[in-house]
Amino acid sequence: GAVVSQHPSWVICKSGTSVKIECRSLDFQATTMFWYRQFPKQSLMLMATSNEGSKATYEQGVEKDKFLINHASLTLSTLTVTSAHPEDSSFYICSARDRTSADTQYFGPGTRLTVL
Amino acid sequence: QKEVEQNSGPLSVPEGAIASLNCTYSDRGSQSFFWYRQYSGKSPELIMFIYSNGDKEDGRFTAQLNKASQYVSLLIRDSQPSDSATYLCAVNPGGTGRRALTFGSGTRLQVQP
Repeated sequence: GAVVSQHPSWVICKSGTSVKIECRSLDFQATTMFWYRQFPKQSLMLMATSNEGSKATYEQGVEKDKFLINHASLTLSTLTVTSAHPEDSSFYICSARDRTSADTQYFGPGTRLTVL
Repeated sequence: QKEVEQNSGPLSVPEGAIASLNCTYSDRGSQSFFWYRQYSGKSPELIMFIYSNGDKEDGRFTAQLNKASQYVSLLIRDSQPSDSATYLCAVNPGGTGRRALTFGSGTRLQVQP
């Protein structure tokens, strides 16, 4: 199957700082990528849809000024958590849609964020 | 009513048995259906997808789709302890194709050695 990478795999930061997470589709072009958050023992929660060359679409309750998304190319989307707080500590997972494969979403390995 | 429903489990089966995981969906316009496996602390990984009524086999896995009943299932033959994970059913809502897959909350499978 297609490969999606995410970087970093884990990050620890101080409260008030910003953290950028990269999501790359390595062997296919993805006009659409998605960002999820998952708390322990809970379901995936879709945060936003990232479309190449246009503004991201955020789910209800997700602050667009706090979670900045940029999808500048067909293989790269970034999520920046601005002014992070301990309650932002979570597992952030991106996925990329492969339009050539029945719109399959391939997931990155995830980024574990801990805000102290 | 949730858009994609799964029994949360845990579903417990002995090693070597067949595990049967079920999923129902509400949107009749759904076009394709996916099964993912998620180990604790890891991201979901694709097992297989299906978009035509009937069965689709891939190794020990068989996906079954019945659009009339809005039902999709996953059978795991010769279950192994390493199959113990949460299995997520996902549905492509169709339309313009820009929407994310709709995920069920997952069924936790435990394969007993």
